Amino acid sequence: DARVTQTPRDKVTEMGQEVTMRCQPILGHNTVFWYRQTMMQGLELLAYFRNRAPLDDSGMPKDRFSAEMPDATLATLKIQPSEPRDSAVYFCASGTDRLTRDTQYFGPGTRLTVL
Amino acid sequence: LAKTTQPISMDSYEGQEVNITCSHNNIATNDYITWYQQFPSQGPRFIIQGYKTKVTNEVASLFIPADRKSSTLSLPRVSLSDTAVYYCLVGDMPNDMRFGAGTRLTVKP
Repeated sequence: DARVTQTPRDKVTEMGQEVTMRCQPILGHNTVFWYRQTMMQGLELLAYFRNRAPLDDSGMPKDRFSAEMPDATLATLKIQPSEPRDSAVYFCASGTDRLTRDTQYFGPGTRLTVL
Repeated sequence: LAKTTQPISMDSYEGQEVNITCSHNNIATNDYITWYQQFPSQGPRFIIQGYKTKVTNEVASLFIPADRKSSTLSLPRVSLSDTAVYYCLVGDMPNDMRFGAGTRLTVKP
């Protein structure tokens, strides 16, 4: 049963520290999404990759967030420096646009707490 | 941007059929309709997707009228484990498909 994996599952850090979250998409998927979920804002799309190319990162605070796909098996989301307002659950999802239209398979999420 | 409107919450009882309707008045010709389910502390899970008429899988049915301005997710004979948030998405990535607040379904014994 293929799944999206995310590491770490939980991260507690102090304000100002760098945070890196990693995602391994399902093998063969060509789209990758990063979301952030909070009680107040719900699920927010941060970045979207297709065939490793970033197509949309308009939802991401550019000054402190960056998203990359070094290869087809790894996507990273980095926050530098982190702030308490970044505390949230970060989800990675992957999919393929070659079959059903942009169906996304979500990972378990990384719960980030910035003190 | 195809905006969706769905009820904030719904209550049901075990064994009942639950229908959650989503309005999307400005759906575009090429837009698909996709529903996701999210349990607490988990990522959303794809349930069903459709373009028109009716789609059925092992989990749910999706009813889409001819004008496609709304859609109804139907969950047959719900159980307590169906308590979750259900999201309706319309459009094509990445510009249009945004998760709204969803519908929080609570199934009671």
